[in-house]
Amino acid sequence: GQQLNQSPQSMFIQEGEDVSMNCTSSSIFNTWLWYKQDPGEGPVLLIALYKAGELTSNGRLTAQFGITRKDSFLNISASIPSDVGIYFCAGPMLLSYNFNKFYFGSGTKLNVKP
Amino acid sequence: DAGVTQSPTHLIKTRGQQVTLRCSPKSGHDTVSWYQQALGQGPQFIFQYYEEEERQRGNFPDRFSGHQFPNYSSELNVNALLLGDSALYLCASSFGAQETQYFGPGTRLLVL
Repeated sequence: GQQLNQSPQSMFIQEGEDVSMNCTSSSIFNTWLWYKQDPGEGPVLLIALYKAGELTSNGRLTAQFGITRKDSFLNISASIPSDVGIYFCAGPMLLSYNFNKFYFGSGTKLNVKP
Repeated sequence: DAGVTQSPTHLIKTRGQQVTLRCSPKSGHDTVSWYQQALGQGPQFIFQYYEEEERQRGNFPDRFSGHQFPNYSSELNVNALLLGDSALYLCASSFGAQETQYFGPGTRLLVL
């Protein structure tokens, strides 16, 4: 099946620092999604990207849809302790009429030291 | 606007038992997908329901079955539980083939 490779696997940063993480695939996606998951909770949608080259912001978060449509990047500026969690990239692939199967990366675990 | 809801939040079962998990989709959504998430992993697709039918299925055995009701809510049933079925079970909803899914808080299942 499809595989989304997400890096880094984990990060330890100081509060106030900027963070970058990325997701790559061997296949083309027409949409990229970024989720954040807190321990024991469901993933929460942060940003959705629908067009190659698109740059979208949500507060301190900025995500970009790669030109090749095979990658995406998520940046967090001026990190704060509540940014701690696991960040997942996801891409839907239309496998048949009216069915999108969603593929997920393995996640980037972010730790922020106050 | 109610988001995706799931029940129960936590469940403890023993091997061989059966379990039923429930999900109500986000208001306006008609498609429900179920995922299994083991600790430290990304969500793994189990199956998707649309118009009360299972539309697609991931690599999960027949012990995993589901149902969707006319009000679009859904159930996930797992029979003959194994220790390896312990995981967070997530429900996600969307509208048709929209390319955005919203997740519920999950049900944490522990099999002893």
